[in-house]
Amino acid sequence: GAGVSQSPSNKVTEKGKDVELRCDPISGHTALYWYRQSLGQGLEFLIYFQGNSAPDKSGLPSDRFSAERTGGSVSTLTIQRTQQEDSAVYLCASSQGLAGFTDTQYFGPGTRLTVL
Amino acid sequence: AQSVSQHNHHVILSEAASLELGCNYSYGGTVNLFWYVQYPGQHLQLLLKYFSGDPLVKGIKGFEAEFIKSKFSFNLRKPSVQWSDTAEYFCAVSGGSGNTGKLIFGQGTTLQVKP
Repeated sequence: GAGVSQSPSNKVTEKGKDVELRCDPISGHTALYWYRQSLGQGLEFLIYFQGNSAPDKSGLPSDRFSAERTGGSVSTLTIQRTQQEDSAVYLCASSQGLAGFTDTQYFGPGTRLTVL
Repeated sequence: AQSVSQHNHHVILSEAASLELGCNYSYGGTVNLFWYVQYPGQHLQLLLKYFSGDPLVKGIKGFEAEFIKSKFSFNLRKPSVQWSDTAEYFCAVSGGSGNTGKLIFGQGTTLQVKP
């Protein structure tokens, strides 16, 4: 597609349930990033993929959060045993992954997660 | 750790007024600097970026920003705002040792332009 797509656009879940969020990056983009946007914390980095590897997972807030990327394309962010503080908009971005990281990150529309 | 500070949280201007949004970052090494905008109901999109060369960079829709290394600043400016500039603006930085391109964002500034 022309841009980064994410699904679902909205997800309401009950505390303690697991959720999976999906990101389809721009075709050919080797770098993929997950961020989350919440009222209290603003926009925070979660994890970075180069190809299928995740050299930077420093932003994942707990071991309940994990992510994978397959085929150098689609990525899935999984949150296990969701808590109310996980409620946020989860954003995915992709870029060409140029040396020096001077290239633009293109953002998707986000998934709004609400944990009841 | 790197941090980004945006001084103005909510700005209200009339059309044709000039705009300047402040952004300061904490890291002293080589950095890449960005301004992103989020229009109501839309994705985050890039306004402009700086990574080297002329410290005055021009972006889309008449926006510009100046990188002042000595002040660790990257302020966003527009000489005359329009109602359509109503949006949330985010300053972001990447860089440092082990750079992975991850963006560290400021808290954002909500701009409201009155017609």
